[in-house]
Amino acid sequence: DTGVSQNPRHKITKRGQNVTFRCDPISEHNRLYWYRQTLGQGPEFLTYFQNEAQLEKSRLLSDRFSAERPKGSFSTLEIQRTEQGDSAMYLCASSLGAGEKTQYFGPGTRLLVL
Amino acid sequence: EDKVVQSPLSLVVHEGDTVTLNCSYEVTNFRSLLWYKQEKKAPTFLFMLTSSGIEKKSGRLSSILDKKELFSILNITATQTGDSAVYLCAFYSGAGSYQLTFGKGTKLSVIP
Repeated sequence: DTGVSQNPRHKITKRGQNVTFRCDPISEHNRLYWYRQTLGQGPEFLTYFQNEAQLEKSRLLSDRFSAERPKGSFSTLEIQRTEQGDSAMYLCASSLGAGEKTQYFGPGTRLLVL
Repeated sequence: EDKVVQSPLSLVVHEGDTVTLNCSYEVTNFRSLLWYKQEKKAPTFLFMLTSSGIEKKSGRLSSILDKKELFSILNITATQTGDSAVYLCAFYSGAGSYQLTFGKGTKLSVIP
């Protein structure tokens, strides 16, 4: 399977703990995006990378959230001091090239904060 | 603030019916609109529309964009139970931004 992969697929944690998710984009895709989706809503943009540079961040991305893409390949999204409101599906997507391109999504990591 | 509204929010049809899903938008510097299908996992890409009035077609699915009236429709003919999903529209807007802004989706249920 050469699609976008995400790990773990599910994560249950207690409030106040830190969690980290990983996304492996489609090979050679230069852009990588993180979205968050809650029940009954469409995905909401969090941040995006072009190669290793983080070029956009949403106002939704509080200072408890940090994302990295150190070598321009896989990316990690860390949430520190999790809160119950962080419970959601975290989706990663990738795209190739410049301009408006199709974003291909991974299966997501479902986070539940107790 | 950019806004996208999908209608209806949910729809139940019988196999073989034809459905039309709507996506209307108010967007600054609209660039393109995308349709995705989401079952119980990742959204999967259906269409990207940039030009007004040009229909895109893939099997039983088709879509068209009207940039004057600011809406797009997604048609599904001869629906099958496998078409049951949430259909999301999203758009690129703004100058130099590559985030997609999504609507809430239309939940389609196709019953035998």
